[in-house]
Amino acid sequence: AQSVTQLDSHVSVSEGTPVLLRCNYSSSYSPSLFWYVQHPNKGLQLLLKYTSAATLVKGINGFEAEFKKSETSFHLTKPSAHMSDAAEYFCVVSEWSSASKIIFGSGTRLSIRP
Amino acid sequence: DAGVIQSPRHEVTEMGQEVTLRCKPISGHDYLFWYRQTMMRGLELLIYFNNNVPIDDSGMPEDRFSAKMPNASFSTLKIQPSEPRDSAVYFCASSRTGANSPLHFGNGTRLTVT
Repeated sequence: AQSVTQLDSHVSVSEGTPVLLRCNYSSSYSPSLFWYVQHPNKGLQLLLKYTSAATLVKGINGFEAEFKKSETSFHLTKPSAHMSDAAEYFCVVSEWSSASKIIFGSGTRLSIRP
Repeated sequence: DAGVIQSPRHEVTEMGQEVTLRCKPISGHDYLFWYRQTMMRGLELLIYFNNNVPIDDSGMPEDRFSAKMPNASFSTLKIQPSEPRDSAVYFCASSRTGANSPLHFGNGTRLTVT
C-alpha cells in the first residue's frame, strides 16, 4: 500500500533564507511524485513532478525537489524564500496503475517572516 | 487555455436544500476528479471519471451525494438533501492520462450549509 507523510504541519522561515519542506512516501511500485501549492482561496497548482527521469527535479518559482529512493523521501527546497511563497504545500504520490491511487499528504503550511 | 472552471465560487444554502456544483474540465483531458477539502479531513477524493464514465465512487460519503458527467466538457456534483456537515470547499480537477499526469484544479466552490 502506498502512503505519504509530510513531516511538518507548519514551517516558518525568514524572507531570504532557505526553505525545506519534508516528505516521505511508501509505494509498492515505482511511484510518480508531485508537489502542489495552494494559495488562500485558490485551487492547488502543480509545482513540480518526478516520474523516474532525473532525481533532481526543478519546478516553478525556484523550487526543486530531490527523489531519494534509499530514504524514500522527496523533500522540497528553495534557496531563498520570498513573501509570496507563503501558502500550503502538498506532497502527492501516485501509482501509474490506477488513477484512484493518488494520495495527498496532509499539507505543510509555510509562513514567511519579514 | 482557460483551465478548469467551477461554478459557483460560493454557495450558501439551508439544510435540506439541493445543491448542484458544476465543473468544466480542460479540453482533451480524459480524467475528471471531484475532491472535498476540510480542515478536519484535508483533501478527500469523492469520485473520478475516465472518458465520462464513473470509475471509482468509493469516496462519496453517502447516497445524498451523486455525480454525473454527461459529456466530456461538463460534470456536476449534487447533494440532496444538504446537511451542515457537508460544508467544505469542493474542488474539481482534470488530468490528461490519470495517475501519471498532473492534476489541474479549479478554484473550488465554497459550500456553506446552515
